[in-house]
Amino acid sequence: QQPVQSPQAVILREGEDAVINCSSSKALYSVHWYRQKHGEAPVFLMILLKGGEQKGHDKISASFNEKKQQSSLYLTASQLSYSGTYFCGTNSGGYQKVTFGIGTKLQVIP
Amino acid sequence: DAGITQSPRHKVTETGTPVTLRCHQTENHRYMYWYRQDPGHGLRLIHYSYGVKDTDKGEVSDGYSVSRSKTEDFLLTLESATSSQTSVYFCAISEPTTAPEAFFGQGTRLTVV
Repeated sequence: QQPVQSPQAVILREGEDAVINCSSSKALYSVHWYRQKHGEAPVFLMILLKGGEQKGHDKISASFNEKKQQSSLYLTASQLSYSGTYFCGTNSGGYQKVTFGIGTKLQVIP
Repeated sequence: DAGITQSPRHKVTETGTPVTLRCHQTENHRYMYWYRQDPGHGLRLIHYSYGVKDTDKGEVSDGYSVSRSKTEDFLLTLESATSSQTSVYFCAISEPTTAPEAFFGQGTRLTVV
């Protein structure tokens, strides 16, 4: 079952902050975040593991609430280059099989 | 960039014809995946492979088959293409023992008319 992302779309001005949420109905082992620019392949941003370990991008942070089966991606002081569609992917055991949400389209304007 | 090549990049085919998409990697990663991407549905896993001749179904596997006879190649076959299989198909690779991320190919845009 796909995780649920919110909001579905957001428009920001440069310098503003944004939060993208991801929730699952299943117990999670890991949450993966990817960004896809228009016409391009998705690119890895971040992984959060059960137990608190976090690996990924140095300008983007995220949280993982294991009890609530939720994750949030925090984009601070947004730049034009942050524009794209953000996908969260969830996994209930190991890294191997990730189920993605439908995505959050983020647009940063000058 | 991770060495992943998808071919063809674009294809138009007729309903009822067989179609094979190829994913080739030069990274020697154990896991390979096929996803389809459609508006309103995000990325959905079709099939994946965890080694030569070892494959498993994803969430939308009906109408698709896969084969992996070599580490570097993962083929996706639509036995009899239908209009509902019009989509952008992405291949991805990963090696969980060394890094958590998956690397995606550039995608194949398939149109079934």
